[in-house]
Amino acid sequence: GQQVMQIPQYQHVQEGEDFTTYCNSSTTLSNIQWYKQRPGGHPVFLIQLVKSGEVKKQKRLTFQFGEAKKNSSLHITATQTTDVGTYFCAGQDDYKLSFGAGTTVTVRA
Amino acid sequence: NAGVTQTPKFQVLKTGQSMTLQCAQDMNHEYMSWYRQDPGMGLRLIHYSVGAGITDQGEVPNGYNVSRSTTEDFPLRLLSAAPSQTSVYFCASRAGSYLYEQYFGPGTRLTVT
Repeated sequence: GQQVMQIPQYQHVQEGEDFTTYCNSSTTLSNIQWYKQRPGGHPVFLIQLVKSGEVKKQKRLTFQFGEAKKNSSLHITATQTTDVGTYFCAGQDDYKLSFGAGTTVTVRA
Repeated sequence: NAGVTQTPKFQVLKTGQSMTLQCAQDMNHEYMSWYRQDPGMGLRLIHYSVGAGITDQGEVPNGYNVSRSTTEDFPLRLLSAAPSQTSVYFCASRAGSYLYEQYFGPGTRLTVT
């Protein structure tokens, strides 16, 4: 079955710095979604990518879907304390959304 | 809209006990799912439903049953609780199968002793 891998598992960032988290699938995806889960909360939808090579931006967050539709990345610039949480990618295969293990981000002020 | 609601928020069970985790949504979504979240393992799909009367297994279905008698409700039943089922359980819904964002409930934290 489909597997979605995310790296790194943990990201410790100095406030103001940039970082990137990566998502890789063992199979070609029809689309990929990104979610954010704040500590103690539930996952909340951020964005969906559908087209090969697609790039979308949300303020300081840039999302990219690979040309082969098997990988994706999330880049955050000028990290803020509000960026703390776990970021999940989820790849769609048939009816199911398969989630990666997530990247947990902590921020040093 | 209340969105996706789950009860209870916390539950402690003894090994061998059974219970039902409740999930309801008021968005008229066709598609509903149950996930469990364990440290370092992300969200793993237990069971899902594409509409009332239709359910199917996800990647970790053993020890759990579901039913979908109405569009709104999708309860998850633990048949005989085991310590390995200690986890946080999330119910989720979305409007359709493809290209729809998924809405999650607040979660149920279950401990089995």
